[in-house]
Amino acid sequence: EEQLVDSGGGSVQPGGSLRLACAASGFTFSNYDMHWVRQGSGKGLEWVSAIGTDGDAHYPGSVKGRFTISRENANNSLYLQMNSLGAGDTAVYYCVRRRRGCPRCSFDIWGQGTMVTVYS
Amino acid sequence: ETVLTQSPGTLSLSPGERATLSCRASQSVSSTYLAWYQQKPGQAPRLLIYGTSSRATGIPDRFSGSGSGTDFTLTISRLEPEDFAVYYCQQYGSSPYTFGQGTKLEIK
Repeated sequence: EEQLVDSGGGSVQPGGSLRLACAASGFTFSNYDMHWVRQGSGKGLEWVSAIGTDGDAHYPGSVKGRFTISRENANNSLYLQMNSLGAGDTAVYYCVRRRRGCPRCSFDIWGQGTMVTVYS
Repeated sequence: ETVLTQSPGTLSLSPGERATLSCRASQSVSSTYLAWYQQKPGQAPRLLIYGTSSRATGIPDRFSGSGSGTDFTLTISRLEPEDFAVYYCQQYGSSPYTFGQGTKLEIK
């Protein structure tokens, strides 16, 4: 079964850091671009980072300079290092895949999500 | 940044009825890069439609997508009880990839 399992969420004070992880199984991880998408409580979906199969990373302005996405193809793992966290970063974070070399393909497999709470 | 606006915010219908959900983009989106997702409470989103009109694996044919340019539509031909959920459109052609704010489909 193709699967993504998110972990690493928790509670942190403003200004703190957290590292999320995503374990992939059941498919060839190195063939996929990987993304993180978050969702605040009762809110919509927000894309927060992407990393290509070659390690090329992209971020929206809201997290650029604070978040770092990385991957280890040998371990089928994706990471998100989050620094300088604020209340606006409180959300469920989802790991998502998108097939490389398939322009029409979108986010077809999602992790179950991991909750990040920034409290004061 | 491409802003996606979904309408209506909430749609109240009965099982067996037809549902039409709209997604309007602030600038033209290639039909290659428009997707729809379904989300139920406490669950991750599920891909329904990609490339404007292609159904994802396992999605029943009562779900269909159409549109071009700035106007896209998700149609559910005959609502089943399990279809009542929140639906999001997404453009993934240009970074930042953006989602609409969602349409809640509720039982009337």
